[in-house]
Amino acid sequence: EADIYQTPRYLVIGTGKKITLECSQTMGHDKMYWYQQDPGMELHLIHYSYGVNSTEKGDLSSESTVSRIRTEHFPLTLESARPSHTSQYLCASSDYRAEAFFGQGTRLTVV
Amino acid sequence: GDSVTQMEGPVTLSEEAFLTINCTYTATGYPSLFWYVQYPGEGLQLLLKATKADDKGSNKGFEATYRKETTSFHLEKGSVQVSDSAVYFCALRPSAGGYQKVTFGTGTKLQVIP
Repeated sequence: EADIYQTPRYLVIGTGKKITLECSQTMGHDKMYWYQQDPGMELHLIHYSYGVNSTEKGDLSSESTVSRIRTEHFPLTLESARPSHTSQYLCASSDYRAEAFFGQGTRLTVV
Repeated sequence: GDSVTQMEGPVTLSEEAFLTINCTYTATGYPSLFWYVQYPGEGLQLLLKATKADDKGSNKGFEATYRKETTSFHLEKGSVQVSDSAVYFCALRPSAGGYQKVTFGTGTKLQVIP
């Protein structure tokens, strides 16, 4: 059974606040991803990781940062949230044997 | 680099109509191919997959055949239902070697009306 969890599901926060979106998976996958999804639905890869202590910027520039200290955990942090960060954020994981599994997503609104 | 091209939506169909959503890809070697579905307010779920040429993936009445000669992986369903309304994403994972980063298409929104 695929298990990848994102918290919170919904977050409304004020401008300038620091936020961390959590993502955890229990499948032992080495690769993890963060996507930002437009209201128009296209997925934009903003960060990915090939394993512990490995992080890379994705195709879309983002002011967020990520860390991968443990295989199962891939949190995303925004130091100072702005309204332009309002979006849906999707976390995923995979390994060479399997397809990517997605979390339920976090819908972030910055007011 | 690798890329996936999907037909633009939205696609609007009446219930019981035939569905085709086109997907073509660019990649070296023999990538694995996937279709994902996203229902409103949810993450993406794997719908079906194919890992080698001429494989047919199928699930919930949906089918797609991995065509190496045309680099395509079109999604089909013979009779759609209102509950099939969702966004559908085509994706590929490169063949063995390298970092095997998954690449997604832009998504196609399907709306089925009663």
